[in-house]
Amino acid sequence: EDQVTQSPEALRLQEGESSSLNCSYTVSGLRGLFWYRQDPGKGPEFLFTLYSAGEEKEKERLKATLTKKESFLHITAPKPEDSATYLCAVEETSGSRLTFGEGTQLTVNP
Amino acid sequence: GAVVSQHPSRVICKSGTSVKIECRSLDFQATTMFWYRQFPKQSLMLMATSNEGSKATYEQGVEKDKFLINHASLTLSTLTVTSAHPEDSSFYICSARDLGLDTQYFGPGTRLTVL
Repeated sequence: EDQVTQSPEALRLQEGESSSLNCSYTVSGLRGLFWYRQDPGKGPEFLFTLYSAGEEKEKERLKATLTKKESFLHITAPKPEDSATYLCAVEETSGSRLTFGEGTQLTVNP
Repeated sequence: GAVVSQHPSRVICKSGTSVKIECRSLDFQATTMFWYRQFPKQSLMLMATSNEGSKATYEQGVEKDKFLINHASLTLSTLTVTSAHPEDSSFYICSARDLGLDTQYFGPGTRLTVL
């Protein structure tokens, strides 16, 4: 059974204070690892897809990396508008369903 | 691109009534759509997967007679909560995926409150 564990559960940062979110996963065969951002009362917004160990993707202040067991979402010099819950999900090679982690709730204080 | 809409965004109904939620892919054809449920402070729980023109596949523990899913066209899927009860109150989110897209794109969600 696929498992996804995100840490920390919650993270408070000061504006400009860089940090990383972790997503550890167990899957029989990884087709892709996905990062989404979710604001309160809204659906998840797609950020990145990573397919193989060593792959990195960047978007503005966010950078996602992938190893064989975990993924990191690095946030550089965050701003208050980066406050949201960040969700990690995996899809295995045998199917199209996503298995989500519990998310990391990020708060960036001005 | 890859925009998914849901309607309504929120609905309040009386116990025992049925509620229909629509999910539309606006700029692509969704061969597969997914329905999720999310409780406060929790992650998304997959309820069912539907492929256009086929019966939906429900996750274990999800009552298919209570949560009716129809995916009659490549741009529209509906979720009907039949005989709703207060415990069905939740945030329902759909997602859509096309063969040409390697990603699920999510709708904005529907907040259901059953009184």
